[in-house]
Amino acid sequence: RKEVEQDPGPFNVPEGATVAFNCTYSNSASQSFFWYRQDCRKEPKLLMSVYSSGNEDGRFTAQLNRASQYISLLIRDSKLSDSATYLCVVSDDRGSTLGRLYFGRGTQLTVWP
Amino acid sequence: EAQVTQNPRYLITVTGKKLTVTCSQNMNHEYMSWYRQDPGLGLRQIYYSMNVEVTDKGDVPEGYKVSRKEKRNFPLILESPSPNQTSLYFCASSLSYRATYEQYFGPGTRLTVT
Repeated sequence: RKEVEQDPGPFNVPEGATVAFNCTYSNSASQSFFWYRQDCRKEPKLLMSVYSSGNEDGRFTAQLNRASQYISLLIRDSKLSDSATYLCVVSDDRGSTLGRLYFGRGTQLTVWP
Repeated sequence: EAQVTQNPRYLITVTGKKLTVTCSQNMNHEYMSWYRQDPGLGLRQIYYSMNVEVTDKGDVPEGYKVSRKEKRNFPLILESPSPNQTSLYFCASSLSYRATYEQYFGPGTRLTVT
């Protein structure tokens, strides 16, 4: 079983739409959570960290549900420039897996005009 | 400019011919890591290093070697490349091994082994 599972999509939405991605993780001891964005054939870049209380950055909202072991990303008012693959990332800050990072396979988003 | 650099960016080689992909960062980061990305499988960690002279295996270390003799460099070595190592490789660095810190990725190295 993969450590981090994501719906690969693709999600095809019109400009202005709201879209949500979910991600589940298998290790209940995981401590840190992130969403990265990857444009086609480019390197991943941090979109936002995910905090226990949930956090917002402009049109993007990330939430964490530790009890159910899932993370979500909500994008409001989608722009053409949001078209990319979104990677869910989970890591452990302690124990034998200290330093390990686990990436989901990514969810592909296409925003059309 | 703060960055992670990788060389070469593109490489086509033959089975069994040893190769090294270099990775260098200028941000004085403690943590460095190598990943491979394959269609349908996502990014998988190959090796990582929490500091100089400290390296550990990730998910898919077989067929790869690394070394961390100095803080800024973390080369990936393929002693005897095989076609199943054809992939897109990314090096990344982070301020600390504490995983709460952002990973900065290099531009990637596209390797083809024939």
